[in-house]
Amino acid sequence: NAGVTQTPKFQVLKTGQSMTLQCAQDMNHNSMYWYRQDPGMGLRLIYYSASEGTTDKGEVPNGYNVSRLNKREFSLRLESAAPSQTSVYFCASSPIDSQGNKAFFGQGTRLTVV
Amino acid sequence: KQEVTQIPAALSVPEGENLVLNCSFTDSAIYNLQWFRQDPGKGLTSLLLIQSSQREQTSGRLNASLDKSSGRSTLYIAASQPGDSATYLCAVTPRTGFQKLVFGTGTRLLVSP
Repeated sequence: NAGVTQTPKFQVLKTGQSMTLQCAQDMNHNSMYWYRQDPGMGLRLIYYSASEGTTDKGEVPNGYNVSRLNKREFSLRLESAAPSQTSVYFCASSPIDSQGNKAFFGQGTRLTVV
Repeated sequence: KQEVTQIPAALSVPEGENLVLNCSFTDSAIYNLQWFRQDPGKGLTSLLLIQSSQREQTSGRLNASLDKSSGRSTLYIAASQPGDSATYLCAVTPRTGFQKLVFGTGTRLLVSP
């Protein structure tokens, strides 16, 4: 009964390094999302995937890429990390029709770029 | 563009007090509104979801109301406990575009024994 699982939980990168944040859900949800959370700014949507095989930009997509590997997995890649990408990253999933369904979040990845 | 505001940003109360957290949004065209709880260093847990056709939802000591026409929601916590200490976020699902959440910046609640 894992729900949404994110790895890693913590990461420190040097400016210019790349990394991939992994996310998997076991609830058979169609939709998955990546958010970042910064102090005083709330959660902002980076990218989302409405269904397997589709991805779309959210509010703050610059500097990121995503892959919806299959229905379970949705990864977020930083090709060349910048200090402005220091943040806490959350993956979430929900059924495709969210009118009556709750969103489920992972535990987050705390990323520091130095 | 939908914007969500939460007031106050922080709240400190003694144990046992009833309290109200506020959330306002600028566009009433929403599918639903959700209230989340976030503990330090943890993810978000959905507490209550109110669909746009509903006025309120209740779960235990929590009651959330929705006034879509005025763009407001409140989360009422009865008989607060130290275990209620957390950050509470509200989020709406706009009817425009794909269904995704727009979050407020949260209210940090501290309930002291």
